[in-house]
Amino acid sequence: EAGVAQSPRYKIIEKRQSVAFWCNPISGHATLYWYQQILGQGPKLLIQFQNNGVVDDSQLPKDRFSAERLKGVDSTLKIQPAKLEDSAVYLCASSLEGPSLGVSTDTQYFGPGTRLTVL
Amino acid sequence: DAKTTQPNSMESNEEEPVHLPCNHSTISGTDYIHWYRQLPSQGPEYVIHGLTSNVNNRMASLAIAEDRKSSTLILHRATLRDAAVYYCILDNYGQNFVFGPGTRLSVLP
Repeated sequence: EAGVAQSPRYKIIEKRQSVAFWCNPISGHATLYWYQQILGQGPKLLIQFQNNGVVDDSQLPKDRFSAERLKGVDSTLKIQPAKLEDSAVYLCASSLEGPSLGVSTDTQYFGPGTRLTVL
Repeated sequence: DAKTTQPNSMESNEEEPVHLPCNHSTISGTDYIHWYRQLPSQGPEYVIHGLTSNVNNRMASLAIAEDRKSSTLILHRATLRDAAVYYCILDNYGQNFVFGPGTRLSVLP
């Protein structure tokens, strides 16, 4: 079974530039998550989708970050404009069902991440 | 905010058992206890989860205290490939699913 795919794996940009990351979840998974992981810290949830609707985006810096999930499958995360503090690994994960479908707990499957460096 | 506390780091010798502790004193009755691990340069991967009873799978065992305020992830025979950051996370309908800094496990040959 194919896992969660992410691209690109690495990206280097100058501050104030824009960048986009792409994620293809495991086939049939209803829930998709984007996390930000700063060096030395655990991943922090940015946004969670259930099919193509947003469940939780409370920690997404909406002045510069945006995300969408096309037709409930693939997703893109965009940063515009980037700041130095956005340097991190951006992880995408998916799960079969998820909390809003009445499941009390679910397993998340993570992609390899995109390492972003902002200069 | 993470509702679990773990030691920052632990060391183990190869082929010996490893017991990774986690405290979750404010756990609610419906919180599941999950463990994930993150190998170098990879995304986190699921290890095991449980609610009240001890659990075993091919990767590890999870021992849950009777009062559920702590749990222990047990790797029965550590290998070099088990060197990773281990995260203990509570999950309740998606609430509280917060990664803390985890425990960095080093395995010595």
